[in-house]
Amino acid sequence: LAKTTQPISMDSYEGQEVNITCSHNNIATNDYITWYQQFPSQGPRFIIQGYKTKVTNEVASLFIPADRKSSTLSLPRVSLSDTAVYYCLLDGGSQGNLIFGKGTKLSVKP
Amino acid sequence: DTGVSQNPRHKITKRGQNVTFRCDPISEHNRLYWYRQTLGQGPEFLTYFQNEAQLEKSRLLSDRFSAERPKGSFSTLEIQRTEQGDSAMYLCASSLAALGAPYEQYFGPGTRLTVT
Repeated sequence: LAKTTQPISMDSYEGQEVNITCSHNNIATNDYITWYQQFPSQGPRFIIQGYKTKVTNEVASLFIPADRKSSTLSLPRVSLSDTAVYYCLLDGGSQGNLIFGKGTKLSVKP
Repeated sequence: DTGVSQNPRHKITKRGQNVTFRCDPISEHNRLYWYRQTLGQGPEFLTYFQNEAQLEKSRLLSDRFSAERPKGSFSTLEIQRTEQGDSAMYLCASSLAALGAPYEQYFGPGTRLTVT
């Protein structure tokens, strides 16, 4: 099974852009890359998903290089409420391969 | 509330006892997933169902773990002969099924199990 690696923690200040990278050297052809946000005592919540190149939605962007061995979640202009743990997930869809990283704890300071 | 619900939210049990957790997914979702999450770790995939069919169960942690979804709606996760190492948060999620790109998963609040 493919493994994912993320930084354990990151610090930022309100209003800054935050980029969190996930490494997945052995990603499978059918794997999509999905990012989730988790607050304490809650289940994870979907942020964004992509397969390759760039995806953008109303809250984040996801950059995936051509070799797909990594991905970068970009959060523009973070606020205090973005303090949470962020996970990347490799999801093989119908294949049932679901691998979460260990998560990156983002702390946003005023 | 039309989100994913899990019951109970907390369970304390003694080592060797059996426990069962229930998950009620979003009603139109035909996929249901179970995960285990320990402190400081990401969710660890255990098993998933599409309707009533359990399509992946090789990642269940041992033969003490079993899951059912008898009518394709709610699901139960049972742990027999609990051990202290089973103490964790058990998360359930649901989604639509897809042939291509997976749909986002909606997670419940989890059941926190403490084995004493």
